[in-house]
Amino acid sequence: SAVISQKPSRDICQRGTSLTIQCQVDSQVTMMFWYRQQPGQSLTLIATANQGSEATYESGFVIDKFPISRPNLTFSTLTVSNMSPEDSSIYLCSVARERDQPQHFGDGTRLSIL
Amino acid sequence: GENVEQHPSTLSVQEGDSAVIKCTYSDSASNYFPWYKQELGKGPQLIIDIRSNVGEKKDQRIAVTLNKTAKHFSLHITETQPEDSAVYFCAARDSGYALNFGKGTSLLVTP
Repeated sequence: SAVISQKPSRDICQRGTSLTIQCQVDSQVTMMFWYRQQPGQSLTLIATANQGSEATYESGFVIDKFPISRPNLTFSTLTVSNMSPEDSSIYLCSVARERDQPQHFGDGTRLSIL
Repeated sequence: GENVEQHPSTLSVQEGDSAVIKCTYSDSASNYFPWYKQELGKGPQLIIDIRSNVGEKKDQRIAVTLNKTAKHFSLHITETQPEDSAVYFCAARDSGYALNFGKGTSLLVTP
């Protein structure tokens, strides 16, 4: 399966600031997704990152808060904007080579907001 | 939307015993059901999956069964080992290719 690298692996941020998380894949993939995992909880899909067009957001998540870019088939970024302590979570990137193929996850970005 | 329920939330077994985790889903259009293992500090790792046209799939000590009529699927781990200790998540994929996850099962295998 693809090798997925996320940066940073962890960060501690001040409230009101923004952080951009990068997801790099070692091969071209059709699908890229961003998930949030709150402490001790399950995974919730934030959005599907679409190459060359706006991301598709799930209910409860908006572009102003979580802008996403996907300039090509191997790279995507998620920005967490105007952070508050409630944004403290693990943010995970996942990829699938094709639409109907299995999804594989990176190791995530552990974000704490003070 | 799809709703996935997972039970139990915690499971403790002795080394060598079997472990079973069960999930139900609500959307009859869901057609793909993966299982992930998440160790502390790591992302979820795909361990086995099953598509809706198959009733059972096995990979060494791990097996998954699917009952489409009842909308439930289960993970079976035989001859458990301490390194099987982790959080396990089931998921169902909807027609939009997004995964809907269960709440997870924390499995502890004691020597």
